[in-house]
Amino acid sequence: QSALTQPASVSGSPGQSISVSCTGTSSDVGGYNYVSWYQHHPGKVPKLMIYDVSNRPSGVSSRFSGSKSGNTASLTISGLQAEDEADYYCASYTSTKTVVFGGGTKLTVL
Amino acid sequence: QVQLQQSGPGLVKPSQTLSLTCAISGDSVSSNTAAWNWIRQSPSRGLEWLGRTYYRSRWYNDFAVSVKSRITISPDTSKNQFSLQLNSVTPEDTAVYYCARSGYYAEYFQYWGQGTLVTVSS
Repeated sequence: QSALTQPASVSGSPGQSISVSCTGTSSDVGGYNYVSWYQHHPGKVPKLMIYDVSNRPSGVSSRFSGSKSGNTASLTISGLQAEDEADYYCASYTSTKTVVFGGGTKLTVL
Repeated sequence: QVQLQQSGPGLVKPSQTLSLTCAISGDSVSSNTAAWNWIRQSPSRGLEWLGRTYYRSRWYNDFAVSVKSRITISPDTSKNQFSLQLNSVTPEDTAVYYCARSGYYAEYFQYWGQGTLVTVSS
């Protein structure tokens, strides 16, 4: 099972919006609505930000949103804040009953 | 509230076996609606899902292809915990290892252990 494809890095200024893409195949991202997104600050535990493509857990800011089209899912962060600077990973359930993560995207807030 | 507490050594010699345990509170390892996962994170590989164990009238395991020949994940119902064993480790297995809970038709990780840095070195 190959890792999902994410851009290595994205950046934006405070207040702006950015999107992170996550591309898989019809056997993972495109085949199931089981895409999730995690925020990871180095040295801390990863935090669930989005589950089932577009759902936010309780306590996660509404500035975070998720979507999917075909084999590509996207995480959008609006109104960028300094504390959003982190690594972001997507994950998907797969047809072989496994889970695959993306390679991770480093978000820099300029 | 589910809490996961990891334990195990932080240093393992090459070719030996990495062993970690994850103690569960606020849920049961035998729950029919949960799955118990191991995930690792390294600078070179990012987050990597390793495998899981879960109970649905009997015990099941699913493993990542990359480690399938070397991995064991076992539940311990008497202690309400589960464990990871990874055999024949190399320096490439150096990573922070996490246990995490997912759910039945809820394929995401909302609850995580605190993480254990495991270094493979002689």
